[in-house]
Amino acid sequence: EVQLVESGGGLVQPGGSLRLSCSASGFTFSLYWMSWVRQAPGKGPEWVANIKKDGTVQSYVDSVKGRFTISRDNAKNSLYLQLDSLRAEDTAVYYCAREYSEFWSGYYNYFDSWGQGTPVTVSS
Amino acid sequence: DIQMTQYPSSLSASVGDRVTITCRASQSITTYLNWYQHKPGKAPKLLISAASSLKRGVPSRFSGSGYGTDFTLTISSLQPEDFASYFCQQSSNMPPTFGQGTKVDIK
Repeated sequence: EVQLVESGGGLVQPGGSLRLSCSASGFTFSLYWMSWVRQAPGKGPEWVANIKKDGTVQSYVDSVKGRFTISRDNAKNSLYLQLDSLRAEDTAVYYCAREYSEFWSGYYNYFDSWGQGTPVTVSS
Repeated sequence: DIQMTQYPSSLSASVGDRVTITCRASQSITTYLNWYQHKPGKAPKLLISAASSLKRGVPSRFSGSGYGTDFTLTISSLQPEDFASYFCQQSSNMPPTFGQGTKVDIK
């Protein structure tokens, strides 16, 4: 059974930092792209970042570029998100999600497994 | 970025009701549209990919349709375990973007 378990969330002051972790099990972690998705209170989910299977390519939503860093350790089956220069608007539950791609008439991508999330609150 | 507008934002329904949720994209995404179910404190669950492809293990009372900019998720006969939030997501362009969600609660 695929399992994704996030940790590392908490309360942090504006300008502070946090490191989120996601521990993966039940599948071959190194074969999948992975993403972080967040959901702020009362809002829809927002994709934050993703990382290629081997860790060599990362992409970010514009609002976190230069402040957040996604990384992975395939030997430890773990995904990470370093959050720096945190702002109040970064307050959200952060989910790690596995990406899957199916080829039909094109590549159809979706998030086929998610963790339960870890909450991050940025407040003074 | 492609904006996804989902409505209604919430609805109240009874067990056995037919429920329809709509998702509209700000530009054509052909069928690059996924639907998820999310219950409080749980991991979101993928229901439908490619607008209408029901994922393995998802009950057949769930169905998806649409093409281009307008999509629907239909629950043909609402069951107690279906009271949850639902959100759509486009995978046509980066970044992937989501609708604001629809909360389905008990009337």
